[in-house]
Amino acid sequence: GQQLNQSPQSMFIQEGEDVSMNCTSSSIFNTWLWYKQDPGEGPVLLIALYKAGELTSNGRLTAQFGITRKDSFLNISASIPSDVGIYFCAGQRVTGGGATNKLIFGTGTLLAVQP
Amino acid sequence: GAVVSQHPSRVICKSGTSVKIECRSLDFQATTMFWYRQFPKQSLMLMATSNEGSKATYEQGVEKDKFLINHASLTLSTLTVTSAHPEDSSFYICSANPAADTQYFGPGTRLTVL
Repeated sequence: GQQLNQSPQSMFIQEGEDVSMNCTSSSIFNTWLWYKQDPGEGPVLLIALYKAGELTSNGRLTAQFGITRKDSFLNISASIPSDVGIYFCAGQRVTGGGATNKLIFGTGTLLAVQP
Repeated sequence: GAVVSQHPSRVICKSGTSVKIECRSLDFQATTMFWYRQFPKQSLMLMATSNEGSKATYEQGVEKDKFLINHASLTLSTLTVTSAHPEDSSFYICSANPAADTQYFGPGTRLTVL
């Protein structure tokens, strides 16, 4: 199935450092979502982006919806040990009429934070 | 956020048997739920879209006769892995949405087929 290109594949950082990861696609999406997944659990929604150019924050997390609608980035500031996990981007094409449209997931970024 | 549950969280079964996994939306109704499969160190891959009161829509390459989906109510979808084999061992995750453009995921079900 189709996947979005996500980079970097993994990151190993020190506590307190800032982190940036991004996601690119060859096609346009109407919505970009960022999820975090802990081992053995389902993904948890972090940030949802609905408009091209939109910049949204959730605590120490900031994400932006690219102007071209083909990319998005996620920044984490002042990382802490509990930020450890796998981060996934997901794109969605909304066709309207209240229909729920499927998500296409990125390949994931593994984040390790050393205290 | 909206709450989605799955049961069981883990299941071990013998090869050739069938396993049923339940996905429930606890505090909202969902006409559509999604079933994903995730192999170790890989991303989530959509298997099928479960539609309340109608047939599920399967992604290319997913056998509908092997992965039976039933969405009998607005809060429950079930995935049955029929005649399971070791290669079906995976992490199965469902999602549902309280609104058309946001999906919330269940905690996942770890299936191990011996």
